[in-house]
Amino acid sequence: DTGVSQNPRHKITKRGQNVTFRCDPISEHNRLYWYRQTLGQGPEFLTYFQNEAQLEKSRLLSDRFSAERPKGSFSTLEIQRTEQGDSAMYLCASSFPRVDLSDTQYFGPGTRLTVL
Amino acid sequence: AQSVTQLDSHVSVSEGTPVLLRCNYSSSYSPSLFWYVQHPNKGLQLLLKYTSAATLVKGINGFEAEFKKSETSFHLTKPSAHMSDAAEYFCANNAGNMLTFGGGTRLMVKP
Repeated sequence: DTGVSQNPRHKITKRGQNVTFRCDPISEHNRLYWYRQTLGQGPEFLTYFQNEAQLEKSRLLSDRFSAERPKGSFSTLEIQRTEQGDSAMYLCASSFPRVDLSDTQYFGPGTRLTVL
Repeated sequence: AQSVTQLDSHVSVSEGTPVLLRCNYSSSYSPSLFWYVQHPNKGLQLLLKYTSAATLVKGINGFEAEFKKSETSFHLTKPSAHMSDAAEYFCANNAGNMLTFGGGTRLMVKP
């Protein structure tokens, strides 16, 4: 399977716990994006990487959120001290604008987080 | 400022009848527009994209969309709905390294 993969697919945690999600992009894609989607809404941009550099962060990405892409391949998104409002689907996408000038983003299946 | 508006939150059609899902955009730059489909508890699948090469864009599963600059619209159509088309559809604009999404349209297909 050469698509974007995300793990875990589902995560249930208690308020105040830390959680970490992983995203593996399509192998040759140098850009990687994180989005958050709450129930009944469209996805909202959180942050993106070009190779290992984090180039943009949304104001939605509070201090409790941190994302890394240490070797320019997979990425992790950590949420510290989770709150019930963090419950959402976290989507990862990747793209390769040097080849695809429209910078088409391909999405993974998402990680659904439930904070109790 | 960039924004994407999907004019209908829900659309219901009968199987075999045409589908129209409406999308309007606002963009300071030349838009780069996409339609994605999302089935329950799944990620987003690309249906089609507009890249200024042609105003009528054909996508997968018989869907197509027409870019109309004068109307700032990028509506999605399909001549004949199938039960498997029932899903959530999102219009998006690539505005400077991030996608701005509309609120989505839930398409229901009645037998």
